[in-house]
Amino acid sequence: GAVVSQHPSRVICKSGTSVKIECRSLDFQATTMFWYRQFPKQSLMLMATSNEGSKATYEQGVEKDKFLINHASLTLSTLTVTSAHPEDSSFYICSAAGQGARGSVFFGSGTQLSVL
Amino acid sequence: SQQGEEDPQALSIQEGENATMNCSYKTSINNLQWYRQNSGRGLVHLILIRSNEREKHSGRLRVTLDTSKKSSSLLITASRAADTASYFCATDSRGNNRLAFGKGNQVVVIP
Repeated sequence: GAVVSQHPSRVICKSGTSVKIECRSLDFQATTMFWYRQFPKQSLMLMATSNEGSKATYEQGVEKDKFLINHASLTLSTLTVTSAHPEDSSFYICSAAGQGARGSVFFGSGTQLSVL
Repeated sequence: SQQGEEDPQALSIQEGENATMNCSYKTSINNLQWYRQNSGRGLVHLILIRSNEREKHSGRLRVTLDTSKKSSSLLITASRAADTASYFCATDSRGNNRLAFGKGNQVVVIP
């Protein structure tokens, strides 16, 4: 099956720093990628939809200047958490869909972000 | 926005028993999917059922969909300790893979 690789799996950073998370589709062209956030013992909340070559579409309440999304190629989307604060600590997970994915969506393994 | 809702949210059963969990949603859908998540890990896709389907099977999994009631159920038969996980339903309203996840069910299978 299709594989989506997400890195890093875990990151600890100091408050005020920026953190970049990568999401790669390894064996198909991901025309669309999605970014979700999950707080402990809660469900996944869609943050934004990323289309290759265009600006991301953010969900209501998600700050686009804080969560920068870049989808510069058909195999890579990045989420940068800028000026991270402890309340940004969460599990971030991406999913990808597109050509060769047979109409399905595939999830990365997630990134646990801890901001000190 | 969140759409799916599962009930109950926590289930503890003995190995070998069946586990049933439900999901309700509010708007029309193209398809509904069930996922499993082990603690702190990524999602594992279990099964997808389209809006024109009423029941689907995959191994020990059985999913039903009632579009008139806007609800779905996931049945895991002959549960195993390895089935211990959180289970989420997710709805795709337009068939564009933009998923709205439910709250999730924590299932604990006791050996």
